[in-house]
Amino acid sequence: QVQLQESGPGLVKPSETLSLTCSVSNGSVSSGNYYWSWFRQPPGKAPEWIGYIYQTRTTNYNPSLKSRITISVDTSKNQFSLKMNSVTASDTAFYYCARGGENGWLQWGYWGQGTLVTVSS
Amino acid sequence: AIQMTQSPSSLSASVGDRVTITCRASQGIRHDLGWYQQRPGKAPKLLLYAASTLQSGVPSRFSGSGSGTDFTLTISSLQPEDFATYYCLQDYSYPYTFGQGTKLEIK
Repeated sequence: QVQLQESGPGLVKPSETLSLTCSVSNGSVSSGNYYWSWFRQPPGKAPEWIGYIYQTRTTNYNPSLKSRITISVDTSKNQFSLKMNSVTASDTAFYYCARGGENGWLQWGYWGQGTLVTVSS
Repeated sequence: AIQMTQSPSSLSASVGDRVTITCRASQGIRHDLGWYQQRPGKAPKLLLYAASTLQSGVPSRFSGSGSGTDFTLTISSLQPEDFATYYCLQDYSYPYTFGQGTKLEIK
């Protein structure tokens, strides 16, 4: 079954850019009707949907973050990535990548284990 | 954005109990809702999608119902591994939004 694994710096300075990568195995980011997605979850709070990329080029972002984020795909590495600029302490959270679109429904059946990103100087 | 309100926010129960968690949407979302279980330090796990369809591999003691604005997740007979936090997530319209969570604890 498909597996996802997040990677990236665990510490980012305020005002800098957060960059995370999700490596996908046993599945291809360039095939199928899947929504390759990012979520985040501040410690002790509910998760938040960040956005997705669909069929390598169609993106949809949470309006609350849209001005600061980009989700893209690298088909040669079978990865997709999240970039978030101008981060502040409120962006400190566990970040998860996930795949949605199983069985013709959007909900997300496959998740990475998550990575904690702390924004601090 | 559609607001998802879960109740209760926490719940104490015993092994073998039947429990129900509710989720209310601020506007109609058809049946575009999923339920997730999250154990400490782990990613959310999809239990049900389309409000009532059991995800592959999820035990049949989990069930869901509802459409429009009111939804329920029922666990028919609690097992020790079910003590976790549960979230609903609507995928009817952007931005997709979660409920605030229900923490299920051992009594």
